[in-house]
This record gives sequence, C-alpha cells and structure tokens, in this order.
Amino acid sequence: DVKVTQSSRYLVKRTGEKVFLECVQDMDHENMFWYRQDPGLGLRLIYFSYDVKMKEKGDIPEGYSVSREKKERFSLILESASTNQTSMYLCASSFSLVYGRDTNTDTQYFGPGTRLTVL
Amino acid sequence: KQEVTQIPAALSVPEGENLVLNCSFTDSAIYNLQWFRQDPGKGLTSLLLIQSSQREQTSGRLNASLDKSSGRSTLYIAASQPGDSATYLCAVSGTGNQFYFGTGTSLTVIP
Repeated sequence: DVKVTQSSRYLVKRTGEKVFLECVQDMDHENMFWYRQDPGLGLRLIYFSYDVKMKEKGDIPEGYSVSREKKERFSLILESASTNQTSMYLCASSFSLVYGRDTNTDTQYFGPGTRLTVL
Repeated sequence: KQEVTQIPAALSVPEGENLVLNCSFTDSAIYNLQWFRQDPGKGLTSLLLIQSSQREQTSGRLNASLDKSSGRSTLYIAASQPGDSATYLCAVSGTGNQFYFGTGTSLTVIP
C-alpha cells in the first residue's frame, strides 16, 4: 500500500514564525502536491513538484515556498506565518502518466493532513 | 480555468437506501476524474479513478460514471450504511499534473 506521511497532525505557531511542514511518500512517485483545505473553498493547490528540485506554482502560492531535495520528500515552508494561513494542509503524491507529449497524473494518494493554527 | 461543482452540498438518507452524488466540470478536456472520501479531520482516500476513455468504474457497492461531453460524473452508492457517512469529493485532471477539486458532498446515513 502507498503510504504518505506528514510530520505533524496538529501544529500551533505564532504570527511571524517560520514554519516547516514535511511530507514523505514511500512509493517512488514522481509527483508530489501541497494543498490547503478551508471550509466552503475546498482543496486549493499551493505548489506541486514533478521531479526532484522541480516545482510549479499552483493556484495560491503567495506566502509559501517548497523544497524537494529528495524524490520521497516534499516540504512546504511558510516564511513568515500569518493568521490567514490557519488551515488544514494536505500532501499528496502520484505517478506520472505519459500521453504522447503530455504528462498527467495517475491516482493521487493523500497524507493524513496537518491542522495548522497561527495565533 | 477548470471549475468543479458538486451538488448537493449535504445529503441525509436512511440506511439501506441507494443514492447518487453528482459532480460537474466546465472544461470537458480532461484526462481522468477521481472520486475521494474524506472522514472528519482526516486526509482523502481514493475511491475510484475513471480515465477519460472510460464510461464507468465499479468497486464493491460503488459505481462511478463519466460523461465527458456533458461535463458530468455521478457516484452511485448501493445499499448505504452508516459507515458510508463522510464527505465525498470529485476531482478532474486536465493538462498538467494537477487535479481540480469540487467542494464536496457531505453524506449522512441514518441508522
């Protein structure tokens, strides 16, 4: 079974702190994703990565950065946490599928989530 | 940009009833569509993935259909059980390696 783990289930930080959220997958997936989930807004993509050291901005990258130094690990960084970054953060991973020149993602597997509160 | 809508936002049914959850999307140029289940405070669990060339997928009491041309998918749950209570989300994947998610349908199955 695919396993995606996240470093913390619950996290409380203060405004202005630097926050690291880590995600590890054990299935040698090329793609890794960071989402945040807020009531009424659903899941929104922050960043994704399709290979080591590669990253792409999602829909809401402002205030976040990411790091992927190893294939199995994808880190989300809040450079200076703010109260509007209080949310549930979900990490996911998937294989890439190749359709001619295009690539796309196979089934996404999610971690258990990190509930971040910024005071 | 792809937009995904799920209606209704919430649904409550008695145990044993068959039910249908709906998902619609604005751009029919998708590669695949995935249905997920989410329990409160937890991550998402994949239920079914339908490739764009397929019309349906089945897993146990679950059946998902896809009509790409009309931008619609349904998730059919047969003989519902209290353990089916959860939020169900659909997501579509187009060009690029990402999914676009709906906001989900919260299902309650009453014993």
